[in-house]
Amino acid sequence: DAKTTQPPSMDCAEGRAANLPCNHSTISGNEYVYWYRQIHSQGPQYIIHGLKNNETNEMASLIITEDRKSSTLILPHATLRDTAVYYCIVRVRDGGSQGNLIFGKGTKLSVKP
Amino acid sequence: NAGVTQTPKFQVLKTGQSMTLQCAQDMNHNSMYWYRQDPGMGLRLIYYSASEGTTDKGEVPNGYNVSRLNKREFSLRLESAAPSQTSVYFCASSRMGVFMNTEAFFGQGTRLTVV
Repeated sequence: DAKTTQPPSMDCAEGRAANLPCNHSTISGNEYVYWYRQIHSQGPQYIIHGLKNNETNEMASLIITEDRKSSTLILPHATLRDTAVYYCIVRVRDGGSQGNLIFGKGTKLSVKP
Repeated sequence: NAGVTQTPKFQVLKTGQSMTLQCAQDMNHNSMYWYRQDPGMGLRLIYYSASEGTTDKGEVPNGYNVSRLNKREFSLRLESAAPSQTSVYFCASSRMGVFMNTEAFFGQGTRLTVV
C-alpha cells in the first residue's frame, strides 16, 4: 500500500472550513483514498473515500488532484465536535491481503471557538 | 442500532494471565478485524477474518489467537499476557474486505492494562 504523509496538527476556527491535506505520491492506479477520524480515543469513524473523482457526502468533501499524488479533506463548517485525529489511508481496490487499513499517525485537528 | 460491540470495555490483567476479548456485529458483515492502538500511534492490524471460517495474520499477530465463532462474532485471545500487550484494542467489521470499496465500522475499544 502507498504511504501517506499528513501534517501532525492543524487548527481551525469554529464555523470555518477545515482543509486537511494528505500526500500520497506513490499511489497506484487502483488504490483508493480513504479518510477516517478518531474522536478522543473512540473507535475510528469512516468519513469518505474516492478513487480519482472528487467526492462529497453529508460529512465532508474529498478533493483528489488530477495526478492523484495528493488529496484534501474538507469539512465545510467545522464545529467543536469535529476536533479529532484524521487519518488518510490508501488501499488497493483488489488483490493482496484483505482488510488491511494501514493507519499512520494522522492529523490532530483542533477546532477552536 | 448497536453496530460493533466489544466486551469488556476495561480490563486489568497480571502478567501471564489469559483472557478473551469479545466482539460482535449486527450488520451482517462478512469481514471482521482486530486492531491495537498504543499511545500516540495509529492502529495496527493484529488479525482479520475475511469471511466466516477464515482467519489471517495482520501486522502484529504474535502473542494473540483469534476465533471467528460465526458470522457475527470474532474473538481475540491472549494466552499469556505480557506488559507489552497493554493497549487499546479495537474490533471492526465491513461488508466485504475493505479493499472492495466498502467502509469499516469500529467498536468503542477495550482498554487493557497488563501489570
